[in-house]
Amino acid sequence: EVQLLESGGGLVQPGGSLRLSCAASGFTFSSYAMSWVRQGPGEGLEWVSGITGSGGSAYYADSVEGRFTISRDNSRNTLYLQMNSLRAGDTAVYYCAKGTQEVGATRLHYWGQGTLVTVSS
Amino acid sequence: DFQMTQSPSSVSASLGDRVTITCRASQDISSWLAWYQQKPGKAPKLLIYVASTLQSGVPSRFSGSGSGTDFTLTISSLQPEDFATYYCQQANSFPITFGGGTKVEIK
Repeated sequence: EVQLLESGGGLVQPGGSLRLSCAASGFTFSSYAMSWVRQGPGEGLEWVSGITGSGGSAYYADSVEGRFTISRDNSRNTLYLQMNSLRAGDTAVYYCAKGTQEVGATRLHYWGQGTLVTVSS
Repeated sequence: DFQMTQSPSSVSASLGDRVTITCRASQDISSWLAWYQQKPGKAPKLLIYVASTLQSGVPSRFSGSGSGTDFTLTISSLQPEDFATYYCQQANSFPITFGGGTKVEIK
């Protein structure tokens, strides 16, 4: 059974940093691209970042380019999102999601339960 | 980047009604479109991919159609568990983009 478990969310001040983790199980982690998707309070879904199965290529939404860094540790079956220079507008539930192939944009087949990030002073 | 525009943003319907949601891409995405259902406080659930393929376990009252820039999600006979928000997503290329969502409410 595929499981994705996010952690690392919390309250952070504007300008601060946070690192999210997503522990994956139930599939060959290195064989699949992964993404982070967020949802602000009362808002729709916003794709944030994606990374290929090998970790060799990473992609970002314009809204987070230069501030967020996606990475993965295939030996630990874990996906990360390092978030720096956080703003109030980054307040959201952050989901990790599994793609359906190693490279390329795909449908997001499985999702974690989400972790809440609140940026506020 | 591919912009995805959904309409309507909300729809009120009764049990048994047929509901249609549309999604338009700003450029040709072939059939690389997925649909998701999301209920409050829950993660999105994949319903349909490559525009018209039903994800395993999804009831057959859900169907998808379209290609190129215009796509449709249809619920043939609305059931109580279908009241939710629906999103389209282009899977043609990065950056992945979602439509703004359509909330299906009880009339």
